[in-house]
Amino acid sequence: AQSVTQLDSQVPVFEEAPVELRCNYSSSVSVYLFWYVQYPNQGLQLLLKYLSGSTLVKGINGFEAEFNKSQTSFHLRKPSVHISDTAEYFCAVSDSGGYNKLIFGAGTRLAVHP
Amino acid sequence: DAGVIQSPRHEVTEMGQEVTLRCKPISGHNSLFWYRQTMMRGLELLIYFNNNVPIDDSGMPEDRFSAKMPNASFSTLKIQPSEPRDSAVYFCASRFSGETGETQYFGPGTRLLVL
Repeated sequence: AQSVTQLDSQVPVFEEAPVELRCNYSSSVSVYLFWYVQYPNQGLQLLLKYLSGSTLVKGINGFEAEFNKSQTSFHLRKPSVHISDTAEYFCAVSDSGGYNKLIFGAGTRLAVHP
Repeated sequence: DAGVIQSPRHEVTEMGQEVTLRCKPISGHNSLFWYRQTMMRGLELLIYFNNNVPIDDSGMPEDRFSAKMPNASFSTLKIQPSEPRDSAVYFCASRFSGETGETQYFGPGTRLLVL
């Protein structure tokens, strides 16, 4: 079975500062990894995903994430955040076979301050 | 593309009443997922369907919850009778399962409050 740990429940940051949201996973099989964003009162929207190939994945809104198999991590980064990035961010894992059921982490609330 | 459509967006009901949540997946998608989101438990997968067939309902809390997918364009999640602890945001998501790793697309959610 897979599991996901998001190490920070809340991350406050000033506008234009860099940010890293941490995600670690556990799995006994090959996995796919995802980051979703949820803006207030909305559904989840895919930021980026890792399926295979290059371990550095670029997504929408200037976000990127790096898959590190040895550390079982998939941390999300952005070099300069905006007020509009304030949202909840979810890391998710699925196995690479079967029905690709997503297992979500608890979420990290990113609060960008002016 | 209208995306995943859920109705109602908000529902307030009294304990003991029946609640029906509805979902229309994206056209062409053949997998559908129901999730529940609460502050205490985060995002939980309740059930998912593939080609209208329930594949895994291990996340359904108890017999008060039931889900159906009579055709490829419609699914319901029913709670009968409802209880205050069922208060949550319920999301429906869909994806095309023809290739592995395909993105799940989420609806806007139904915010349920059981008094």
